[in-house]
Amino acid sequence: GIQVEQSPPDLILQEGANSTLRCNFSDSVNNLQWFHQNPWGQLINLFYIPSGTKQNGRLSATTVATERYSLLYISSSQTTDSGVYFCAVEPGTNDYKLSFGAGTTVTVRA
Amino acid sequence: EAEVAQSPRYKITEKSQAVAFWCDPISGHATLYWYRQILGQGPELLVQFQDESVVDDSQLPKDRFSAERLKGVDSTLKIQPAELGDSAMYLCASSSRLLGGEQFFGPGTRLTVL
Repeated sequence: GIQVEQSPPDLILQEGANSTLRCNFSDSVNNLQWFHQNPWGQLINLFYIPSGTKQNGRLSATTVATERYSLLYISSSQTTDSGVYFCAVEPGTNDYKLSFGAGTTVTVRA
Repeated sequence: EAEVAQSPRYKITEKSQAVAFWCDPISGHATLYWYRQILGQGPELLVQFQDESVVDDSQLPKDRFSAERLKGVDSTLKIQPAELGDSAMYLCASSSRLLGGEQFFGPGTRLTVL
């Protein structure tokens, strides 16, 4: 099946800093989603971004499908940004299933 | 705002007991998914429904796990008997192909098997 690799595995930031999370995938995809898992375990949708660039407040994401990677940018980080960020892809086989990466754990210190 | 509902939020059980989890997807979403997330890992698909039909249950341990979506709306995931290794977060998600296929997740059920 498709492989999804996220980097870095862990990231420690000072409040106010900017950061970039990366997601590489091994095959063509129909869709790509970024999630933030809160301390209670719920996955919160951040972006649905099979290609191109989107922005939502201090967060933005870019997917370059032809080069098989996506980037999530966090600007002016806040302590509430702490948590695990997951990238998930739907392979280009039209089966509508998501394969997740292992996640990036972000800790923002005040 | 439409949300995926799950219950219970937490479940503690002893090994060899039966447990059941319930999920109510976003209204109108024909596709429903059950995922299992072990601590420190990403979620992994257990079963996928399209309406009331199972599309993919290749990763479901069928000797002890069962899932149903009888009327094509809400769904139940059952484990019988539970084993220590089943301790995990069980997540339900739903999507609509007509709306592009973005998946939305419920709050999850955290299962602890003692």
